[in-house]
Amino acid sequence: RKEVEQDPGPFNVPEGATVAFNCTYSNSASQSFFWYRQDCRKEPKLLMSVYSSGNEDGRFTAQLNRASQYISLLIRDSKLSDSATYLCVVRLGGATNKLIFGTGTLLAVQP
Amino acid sequence: GAGVSQSPRYKVAKRGQDVALRCDPISGHVSLFWYQQALGQGPEFLTYFQNEAQLDKSGLPSDRFFAERPEGSVSTLKIQRTQQEDSAVYLCASSLARGHNSPLHFGNGTRLTVT
Repeated sequence: RKEVEQDPGPFNVPEGATVAFNCTYSNSASQSFFWYRQDCRKEPKLLMSVYSSGNEDGRFTAQLNRASQYISLLIRDSKLSDSATYLCVVRLGGATNKLIFGTGTLLAVQP
Repeated sequence: GAGVSQSPRYKVAKRGQDVALRCDPISGHVSLFWYQQALGQGPEFLTYFQNEAQLDKSGLPSDRFFAERPEGSVSTLKIQRTQQEDSAVYLCASSLARGHNSPLHFGNGTRLTVT
């Protein structure tokens, strides 16, 4: 079982739609949580951190449920420019500082 | 430059050749990571440096893979006797501090193709 699991998609949605991505992680020692965005043939870029209280950045809302080891990302009013792969990421605590990436969920926003 | 710089951008190697991939992190960044990304997959952790110390190399897939950061800045990932399964994009990332919320900045990767 992978440490971070995501539905690979693709999610094909029309412009203006609301879309939600889910992610689960297996290591209860995970300390920090993020969503990264990766465009085709480009490097991953930080989209937003995820906090237990939930956090919002414009059209994007992230939620974390530590008890269920579950992370979500909601995108409202989708734009064509949102088309990308969205990577769920956890950072382990302790001596290691590594980030563990999920496989990514591909989003295609259609005109 | 302002970002993480990796070279070469593309590398084609014949099976059995050795390759060396270079990463120039953002100046002053303490932490440096190497990841391997196969087509259609998320980045897989290879190794982590804090300054010149290699604190975690648990992700290196075999003893053919070796990484160093001798002066705590530039890092090199070396792959000996390359195999076809080594074909992937190798991503380097750096962060300013060791803190759990210090964001990672990725370079644009080296795409390695082993023929």
